[in-house]
Amino acid sequence: NAGVTQTPKFRVLKTGQSMTLLCAQDMNHEYMYWYRQDPGMGLRLIHYSVGEGTTAKGEVPDGYNVSRLKKQNFLLGLESAAPSQTSVYFCASMAGGGNGELFFGEGSRLTVL
Amino acid sequence: RKEVEQDPGPFNVPEGATVAFNCTYSNSASQSFFWYRQDCRKEPKLLMSVYSSGNEDGRFTAQLNRASQYISLLIRDSKLSDSATYLCSWRDTGFQKLVFGTGTRLLVSP
Repeated sequence: NAGVTQTPKFRVLKTGQSMTLLCAQDMNHEYMYWYRQDPGMGLRLIHYSVGEGTTAKGEVPDGYNVSRLKKQNFLLGLESAAPSQTSVYFCASMAGGGNGELFFGEGSRLTVL
Repeated sequence: RKEVEQDPGPFNVPEGATVAFNCTYSNSASQSFFWYRQDCRKEPKLLMSVYSSGNEDGRFTAQLNRASQYISLLIRDSKLSDSATYLCSWRDTGFQKLVFGTGTRLLVSP
């Protein structure tokens, strides 16, 4: 009963490096989201997807790209990491037509030096 | 103005106290509202939905005031285990995305 799984849980990058965060959900949810959480800023939406093959920009999309090639997976990519992208990243999913409840992964802590 | 605003706290209350948080929102078209709870260094989890008529779940009561554009969460008989950050959120039905406030931190002490 995994729910939403994020990998990796922790990562340290140097400025300019690239990486991909993987989110996998086993609940057959239509909607998936990537948020970042910073002290005093709350949860801010980066990108989201309302179905396989579709993505959309959230509040803070700059510097990130996403892909939803399979319904169960939502990838978040950083092409050229910057110190400002040091944050905790949360993936979440929601059932289509559901009550609006988001199910979150445990988070991925990223540090960019 | 942020779409959702909350007092960050912390609210320090003794066990058994009643505490209330408000959350204001700016988008009058907001459709659905929620309270999430987040423990330290953990992921947020849904606490309760907020219905127009108000709703209660045990010691927790959530209310929506559309005229003044705020939602509230009331916790009665606070427990030590209620210590957490409480995030309010609203859902834009058309775009299926949830926007969150910055959260209000609650500390319940013995």
